[in-house]
Amino acid sequence: EADIYQTPRYLVIGTGKKITLECSQTMGHDKMYWYQQDPGMELHLIHYSYGVNSTEKGDLSSESTVSRIRTEHFPLTLESARPSHTSQYLCASSAPGSGNQPQHFGDGTRLSIL
Amino acid sequence: QKEVEQNSGPLSVPEGAIASLNCTYSDRVSQSFFWYRQYSGKSPELIMSIYSNGDKEDGRFTAQLNKASQYVSLLIRDSQPSDSATYLCAVKRRGFGNEKLTFGTGTRLTIIP
Repeated sequence: EADIYQTPRYLVIGTGKKITLECSQTMGHDKMYWYQQDPGMELHLIHYSYGVNSTEKGDLSSESTVSRIRTEHFPLTLESARPSHTSQYLCASSAPGSGNQPQHFGDGTRLSIL
Repeated sequence: QKEVEQNSGPLSVPEGAIASLNCTYSDRVSQSFFWYRQYSGKSPELIMSIYSNGDKEDGRFTAQLNKASQYVSLLIRDSQPSDSATYLCAVKRRGFGNEKLTFGTGTRLTIIP
């Protein structure tokens, strides 16, 4: 069973605010990922990390930033939220070892920018 | 052409029947294949993984992989209403340091009681 936690689950906030979405996992996974998904639409990878102090941009351009200071923690930050950032944000992680490790997802954060 | 293609559905199957979900991929160096189930408003949940040609069975679920045809499928036997969800196919390319998954758009499955 995957233990990956995202907070908050829901966030409604005004334009221009700085937002940090939290993601933590207790499995010692070295690889972590952030996806963005609009309702009924496909998943888009926006950031990933293969270890501490390693972060890369994903396939979909995003105005968000990430950091990986600790193995278990991979927060995502929006410096100035806009209505276009309204979406569901999903965090995932996968175990060490190459090739066949699946990704396990947290419950997601549903973000609404007014 | 998308890297991973799925029929978006909706696919309607009577309760108790076999649901067949299909996925094709374009990159021949793909090595790992995963099926996720996603209920509306929820996050994806891993159902099956398959890495070698042939069939892999887990309970009511069977994954089938044919690398020559670049085709992976998921069969759900004795379909239940609780199987109604969107099923995502995900593919990982072979390559050192490449741990990203490419997801299909998903097939929406509805089991009719």
